[in-house]
Amino acid sequence: KNEVEQSPQNLTAQEGEFITINCSYSVGISALHWLQQHPGGGIVSLFMLSSGKKKHGRLIATINIQEKHSSLHITASHPRDSAVYICAAGDNNDMRFGAGTRLTVKP
Amino acid sequence: KAGVTQTPRYLIKTRGQQVTLSCSPISGHRSVSWYQQTPGQGLQFLFEYFSETQRNKGNFPGRFSGRQFSNSRSEMNVSTLELGDSALYLCASSLRLWGENIQYFGAGTRLSVL
Repeated sequence: KNEVEQSPQNLTAQEGEFITINCSYSVGISALHWLQQHPGGGIVSLFMLSSGKKKHGRLIATINIQEKHSSLHITASHPRDSAVYICAAGDNNDMRFGAGTRLTVKP
Repeated sequence: KAGVTQTPRYLIKTRGQQVTLSCSPISGHRSVSWYQQTPGQGLQFLFEYFSETQRNKGNFPGRFSGRQFSNSRSEMNVSTLELGDSALYLCASSLRLWGENIQYFGAGTRLSVL
């Protein structure tokens, strides 16, 4: 069993839909990161969370430390949100990555 | 402010050769981390350097090594290349160590081993 599990693996949505991507982890963490990877490989760090909730534009990330679970939400999704979203969890000694969720938003 | 710069962007090598990849972090960032991304294994952590010292290391063989210079620029070296080393190698920089702050990623170096 992977130490960082993401679901779903693939997600197709219509423009404007509310999207949720989930991440569960079994490792001890000092922080959890959500990354966005566009075709071609470029990665952007979206959020770094150690507790609670963060919001940036249409993106919201939450984490529940007790349940070892985090969610990434996208409100009013847009085709430019199409990318692979990767959850990374760990501490300074070891960072593990989820397999990614491939999101496709259709116009 | 310039982003994280990785050179070269693409590289083709043959088995048995060695390769050196370069990463220039964002100005002021002292932490540089390296990752390997393959279709089969996904994204995996290689190692992290902070103030010229290797602070963390992933589960990779000794053929993978790195170093960081006093200006925080980092190089990653892979010796005796194998076909399975073909991957996208990503570098990320941050002000502090991995778990504590946002990472800024470079565009990556795509290595093909023939």
